[in-house]
Amino acid sequence: DQQVKQNSPSLSVQEGRISILNCDYTNSMFDYFLWYKKYPAEGPTFLISISSIKDKNEDGRFTVFLNKSAKHLSLHIVPSQPGDSAVYFCAASGYGNTGGFKTIFGAGTRLFVKA
Amino acid sequence: GAGVSQSPSNKVTEKGKDVELRCDPISGHTALYWYRQSLGQGLEFLIYFQGNSAPDKSGLPSDRFSAERTGGSVSTLTIQRTQQEDSAVYLCASSLGSSLGEQYFGPGTRLTVT
Repeated sequence: DQQVKQNSPSLSVQEGRISILNCDYTNSMFDYFLWYKKYPAEGPTFLISISSIKDKNEDGRFTVFLNKSAKHLSLHIVPSQPGDSAVYFCAASGYGNTGGFKTIFGAGTRLFVKA
Repeated sequence: GAGVSQSPSNKVTEKGKDVELRCDPISGHTALYWYRQSLGQGLEFLIYFQGNSAPDKSGLPSDRFSAERTGGSVSTLTIQRTQQEDSAVYLCASSLGSSLGEQYFGPGTRLTVT
């Protein structure tokens, strides 16, 4: 049961254009969402996050949009740069009915930015 | 630089042997997480510690897997009687308090079971 889904395993974008990475979740208990970036042979690094009380958060070239009714979030990178080429993981956090805390990661989307 | 460190970076073991993976979180981070990433897969949540206690062990794949954390700092993930399907990169992360916010990841331990 995949609670966090990234349906596109890979995405290829030309340098300077916009990259849009999508993520869907199924569990309404999630109330905090994060994007992580991962280079080969390194651990993921935090990129940007959004609380469920917001619908947009922007940090430089990176913007995350949240549509709670659709249980969908997206990460926009504009303009895309070759150094953005990496695997991007979407993550959702929240407290479950039993009080346990969970962060669930998606399977990741590999972004290729072509020069 | 006091980031999250993990050891060993690589471990090759024979099927049936036990392995211990170590994680040193960022100093002052009370929350610690273990994940694993199998080839071509996403990050699979294993266990979460708040201090020395583990409120959520639901992600551990079987009773061959166990983890402990002592002194609110270092954590070890133990896999007994390893199987080939245990081969993966095991990632540790830590965060301040029990926040839902960002986690800081270590570089991972690549485990290969032959």
